[in-house]
Amino acid sequence: DGGITQSPKYLFRKEGQNVTLSCEQNLNHDAMYWYRQDPGQGLRLIYYSQIVNDFQKGDIAEGYSVSREKKESFPLTVTSAQKNPTAFYLCASSRVGTGSFTGELFFGEGSRLTVL
Amino acid sequence: AQKITQTQPGMFVQEKEAVTLDCTYDTSDPSYGLFWYKQPSSGEMIFLIYQGSYDQQNATEGRYSLNFQKARKSANLVISASQLGDSAMYFCAMREGGITGNQFYFGTGTSLTVIP
Repeated sequence: DGGITQSPKYLFRKEGQNVTLSCEQNLNHDAMYWYRQDPGQGLRLIYYSQIVNDFQKGDIAEGYSVSREKKESFPLTVTSAQKNPTAFYLCASSRVGTGSFTGELFFGEGSRLTVL
Repeated sequence: AQKITQTQPGMFVQEKEAVTLDCTYDTSDPSYGLFWYKQPSSGEMIFLIYQGSYDQQNATEGRYSLNFQKARKSANLVISASQLGDSAMYFCAMREGGITGNQFYFGTGTSLTVIP
């Protein structure tokens, strides 16, 4: 079945460590996204990519890095520069296009990162 | 200014009754799409319904309907015949059109509790 796979589902990190969250999709979507979710704050965009080897910062990119070497993969690295990384992270993908069409976001099941 | 505003942090509804979740949006783009997502306690984001800015009729999907009032920039979700499984967070989102219309904006969500 087509979909988005995120791993790991739960991750614990010590302060000062970098961690990488995996996101893979087999929907043949060009656009991929990373969101952070904190309680009561909805979803905030970290990074997004519309094409391989290109990506743009979202609203809260500081302390995060991404790569898009393959269409199917968009890993997110949470670096030690991220001051408060404990959160729920959601990866998503969509078709790229223009106009008002049903290009909804498809989401993975999320990765919950806890800093000890 | 907020692109998407959801003013109801929490809502309660009796089982089998209908409930309306409010959403207002802000855009100057004539071409956009509006989405509603459901997030159960498991964390996954489930796409519910979509409304395009040029759609003449309100969108419906089973028990979900979207009350689209373009002049008021309102896109309320109506859930009819509520079920216990409808208890979840609900997020309104918008995707603007144009050549770079691939960024989604989310509201802060409404927590719905269905009472038996």
